[in-house]
Amino acid sequence: NAGVTQTPKFRVLKTGQSMTLLCAQDMNHEYMYWYRQDPGMGLRLIHYSVGEGTTAKGEVPDGYNVSRLKKQNFLLGLESAAPSQTSVYFCASSYRNLAETQYFGPGTRLLVL
Amino acid sequence: SQQGEEDPQALSIQEGENATMNCSYKTSINNLQWYRQNSGRGLVHLILIRSNEREKHSGRLRVTLDTSKKSSSLLITASRAADTASYFCATVAGGTSYGKLTFGQGTILTVHP
Repeated sequence: NAGVTQTPKFRVLKTGQSMTLLCAQDMNHEYMYWYRQDPGMGLRLIHYSVGEGTTAKGEVPDGYNVSRLKKQNFLLGLESAAPSQTSVYFCASSYRNLAETQYFGPGTRLLVL
Repeated sequence: SQQGEEDPQALSIQEGENATMNCSYKTSINNLQWYRQNSGRGLVHLILIRSNEREKHSGRLRVTLDTSKKSSSLLITASRAADTASYFCATVAGGTSYGKLTFGQGTILTVHP
């Protein structure tokens, strides 16, 4: 099993550009999450999904959109990137419960100029 | 905020010594989890301890939980250079606020060979 994979690993955007980060998991997990990690801030939850076709807002959802069209995939979109969105983005999944162990992807490093 | 706060922010020790990291939180929890993050990588789950548990072991790791003091500690015994990483505690709120993980800012552990 590959576990949780993220695409791309690194990206540079100009302010105002859009992009989509892809997360895929092959563990048949129901729950998926997107976090951002900034220096000194720990991880903050952006959006999450409790199953195919569902999404919910986390702690810092503004400026991001998500979709979960397939159980194994969770997409994070930036419609108009801003320098404040420069961060490392992590996707995670858990089997069937928000409170369970989460399995993380390797991260996507995004730089917005 | 439910966010866990780790202490110390950074810890530097010699190989073979024990490392202790602490986590404090503010409200009731369902469980508390510890994760490790190697530089530039995703988070890896170490241990989950539930609110009705006081101590758990996993190999060289020992986690304690004191719900009366709203604190947890992670002890790594006989540390190795490979233990060098950031360590995060994450809490899941209990009761009517039951829900997702909230991460602390982490402790940076450096183990010198």
